[in-house]
Amino acid sequence: EAGVVQSPRYKIIEKKQPVAFWCNPISGHNTLYWYLQNLGQGPELLIRYENEEAVDDSQLPKDRFSAERLKGVDSTLKIQPAELGDSAVYLCASSFNSYNEQFFGPGTRLTVL
Amino acid sequence: KQEVTQIPAALSVPEGENLVLNCSFTDSAIYNLQWFRQDPGKGLTSLLLIQSSQREQTSGRLNASLDKSSGRSTLYIAASQPGDSATYLCAVPRQAGTALIFGKGTTLSVSS
Repeated sequence: EAGVVQSPRYKIIEKKQPVAFWCNPISGHNTLYWYLQNLGQGPELLIRYENEEAVDDSQLPKDRFSAERLKGVDSTLKIQPAELGDSAVYLCASSFNSYNEQFFGPGTRLTVL
Repeated sequence: KQEVTQIPAALSVPEGENLVLNCSFTDSAIYNLQWFRQDPGKGLTSLLLIQSSQREQTSGRLNASLDKSSGRSTLYIAASQPGDSATYLCAVPRQAGTALIFGKGTTLSVSS
């Protein structure tokens, strides 16, 4: 069974540029999460989807971050414009439902110059 | 507000030692607790999930215990190997059916 797929694995951009990350969850998993992990810290939730509905986006900086999961399968996280402080690893995770074990993708390491 | 703390932050042991990693959480009303492993530059690999009704879970050389009343969990690694070198994170849901709150992790180094 394929795990959570994320792309790209690495991205280097200049500040004020836009960037997008893509995630394909494990097949059949209804819940999808985007987490942000800064160096030396544990991941922190940005947004949680139940199917195509964003049910928890309280931690998402909505002035520059947006996300979508149009068909309730894969998801895209966008930052526009990027700032220096956005440099971090962006992790996608999925679970069968929000009460089950979460499985993580390899992450996208973003560097903003 | 749930907070998760892991001690020590880093640990170095020689190969073959048994070791214990600690995790504490401030709100004992948890639904479950999950232990993860993270290798440098990689994502998180789920090691063990303990439901709130369970006291422990075992997988190979790993054993995780849970004491909800004291707000603690331990991850016991038997006969450590250099391949066990990684950062170990514990996490609990903010509340049932929500996202995970993570500790900062314990970075383990096992020397041969």
